[in-house]
Amino acid sequence: EPEVTQTPSHQVTQMGQEVILRCVPISNHLYFYWYRQILGQKVEFLVSFYNNEISEKSEIFDDQFSVERPDGSNFTLKIRSTKLEDSAMYFCASSGWRDRLNEKLFFGSGTQLSVL
Amino acid sequence: AQKITQTQPGMFVQEKEAVTLDCTYDTSDPSYGLFWYKQPSSGEMIFLIYQGSYDQQNATEGRYSLNFQKARKSANLVISASQLGDSAMYFCAMREGGETSGSRLTFGEGTQLTVNP
Repeated sequence: EPEVTQTPSHQVTQMGQEVILRCVPISNHLYFYWYRQILGQKVEFLVSFYNNEISEKSEIFDDQFSVERPDGSNFTLKIRSTKLEDSAMYFCASSGWRDRLNEKLFFGSGTQLSVL
Repeated sequence: AQKITQTQPGMFVQEKEAVTLDCTYDTSDPSYGLFWYKQPSSGEMIFLIYQGSYDQQNATEGRYSLNFQKARKSANLVISASQLGDSAMYFCAMREGGETSGSRLTFGEGTQLTVNP
């Protein structure tokens, strides 16, 4: 079965540094998402992306965050100046459709970000 | 208010027995979808089962079934004949309809299931 690939699996960075998390969604999917899960907390929506622009973002997704699809395969999440509270597991997801209520998201294995 | 509530932080079940994981939800939207995902220790999120708000019958997928009680706003996951490989974190999630149809999923806190041999 096709899968969403995320790299790296673990990322350690110093507070204030920029970090880029990378994802390769399923090849024929058109809708892309980032979610995060702080240790011991629920999975939270960050942003959705379609047709090279953000279609929806949560209140968590402030100016420190940005997303990009730099080529036909990669989808990235950039955190400009990391804070301690950005430490979390970041999940990328993709789906083939948006306007279908039952459309399931395919998730990657996540990138564990640790900000020191 | 919490949109998705999973009140069981941890559940234990004996191998080969059935187990029910609880999920209640809150929405005023008549059109919504409910999902269950499994997260093993390796970290990935695996889709298990879906129930739409207008579906007349409870969803089933192999050993997974969803006990959907619309009036009570509950969507409990039933796993029959538990296997050791079922040990994982289980998340209930909801997508609401309307203009944001197809967009974000809202997740519950999760239930850690342990299957004992």
